[in-house]
Amino acid sequence: DVKVTQSSRYLVKRTGEKVFLECVQDMDHENMFWYRQDPGLGLRLIYFSYDVKMKEKGDIPEGYSVSREKKERFSLILESASTNQTSMYLCASTQGQFEAFFGQGTRLTVV
Amino acid sequence: EDQVTQSPEALRLQEGESSSLNCSYTVSGLRGLFWYRQDPGKGPEFLFTLYSAGEEKEKERLKATLTKKESFLHITAPKPEDSATYLCAVQDGTASKLTFGTGTRLQVTL
Repeated sequence: DVKVTQSSRYLVKRTGEKVFLECVQDMDHENMFWYRQDPGLGLRLIYFSYDVKMKEKGDIPEGYSVSREKKERFSLILESASTNQTSMYLCASTQGQFEAFFGQGTRLTVV
Repeated sequence: EDQVTQSPEALRLQEGESSSLNCSYTVSGLRGLFWYRQDPGKGPEFLFTLYSAGEEKEKERLKATLTKKESFLHITAPKPEDSATYLCAVQDGTASKLTFGTGTRLQVTL
């Protein structure tokens, strides 16, 4: 069974903290993505990576950075968390034009 | 810029009452159109991929169809366990990223 695993289901962080969200896939996929999902706004792409050490900005990259040092792992970093980054974060991976597989999501609350 | 619009936003059906969800899209060179199901608090679960106009895919009570401008997800004789949010996404010819619609929240009651 294919698997995308996110390190946490729920996180509560304080404003100004540096936050790391980790995602690991076991399918040897080239492409990995970070989305955030908010009510009424759907899934919005933050960053994606099509190879190790390669990254591209998505639609809403401000306040975020990413790291992909190994093919199977893609990290999302909130440099200084703010309350407007409270959201559901979803990691996905895909190979070429085939379907993307998603992790279970991390619900992040910034207080 | 790729755009995906889903309608209706929410749909309430009685068990056994068939209906269709719509996904309209604009994309430069469609590489694939994807349907996902998402249960509350969980990640989206893949349902179907459609690659070209005229293509159809079926799975249990669900059937997805594709034209050059839109896709439909037909739900035949739905059951309460079909209640979920259904998401549509497109992948264009220039990049691997997916652009999602905001989803249709389906509730099926007894």
